[in-house]
Amino acid sequence: EPEVTQTPSHQVTQMGQEVILRCVPISNHLYFYWYRQILGQKVEFLVSFYNNEISEKSEIFDDQFSVERPDGSNFTLKIRSTKLEDSAMYFCASRGWTEAFFGQGTRLTVV
Amino acid sequence: GEDVEQSLFLSVREGDSSVINCTYTDSSSTYLYWYKQEPGAGLQLLTYIFSNMDMKQDQRLTVLLNKKDKHLSLRIADTQTGDSAIYFCAGEVGGFQKLVFGTGTRLLVSP
Repeated sequence: EPEVTQTPSHQVTQMGQEVILRCVPISNHLYFYWYRQILGQKVEFLVSFYNNEISEKSEIFDDQFSVERPDGSNFTLKIRSTKLEDSAMYFCASRGWTEAFFGQGTRLTVV
Repeated sequence: GEDVEQSLFLSVREGDSSVINCTYTDSSSTYLYWYKQEPGAGLQLLTYIFSNMDMKQDQRLTVLLNKKDKHLSLRIADTQTGDSAIYFCAGEVGGFQKLVFGTGTRLLVSP
C-alpha cells in the first residue's frame, strides 16, 4: 500500500524556537496537506498545497506557519517561534484522485 | 463551513456488528471517508464512498450514505478486539481543498 512518511516521529522544542516538520508524500500525488490534532481533540485542517502554492489555509495557519516543497519530493511545515499551544500531533497527507493518505504523524512537544 | 458530527463512544462485544454514525452539513462533498486511529498512531484510511453511491462494501466494512439526510454510517461485521480504535468520518470540502473531520467515535470491543 502507498505510504506517506513523516520525520521526526517526535520532536521536543523550547518555546520560541523554530521547528521544521518533514513529509515525503506519495510520489504521483499532486495535492498535499497538513493537519494537526491536539491531544484528545479533533483533527484540524491547517493548509493545502497544489502546484507549488498554497490553495487553502485555515485560521490557525497564520504568519507563524509556512510550507514548502523544496525539491519535488519533500513537503515541509515550518513553525516559527513555537508556543506551548503548538504542542500537538501534526499529520501530513497526500491525495491522488480519490484517496487521501495520511502519514504516521510528528508529535511536537513545546516546553 | 462544513460541520461533521459523530457520537463519541460505542461499546460492542466481539463477534457483534458495530455501526458508527456520522452526520455532515456540506451536501457538495464528492467523497466521504472513514479513517481509523489506534492509540498514538496515524490516520489509516479504511474506505471511502463517492457521493452518487448509496452503499459500498469492502470485506467486513459496509458504508451507507443517505444524501437526503446527510448521514453516513460505517458497519463493521464480526467486530474483533483489534478493531478497538477511534473512527473518524471526513467530508471533502471545496473539491480537493481539504477534508473536514468529525469528532471521532471511540469503539471499544470486549471479548
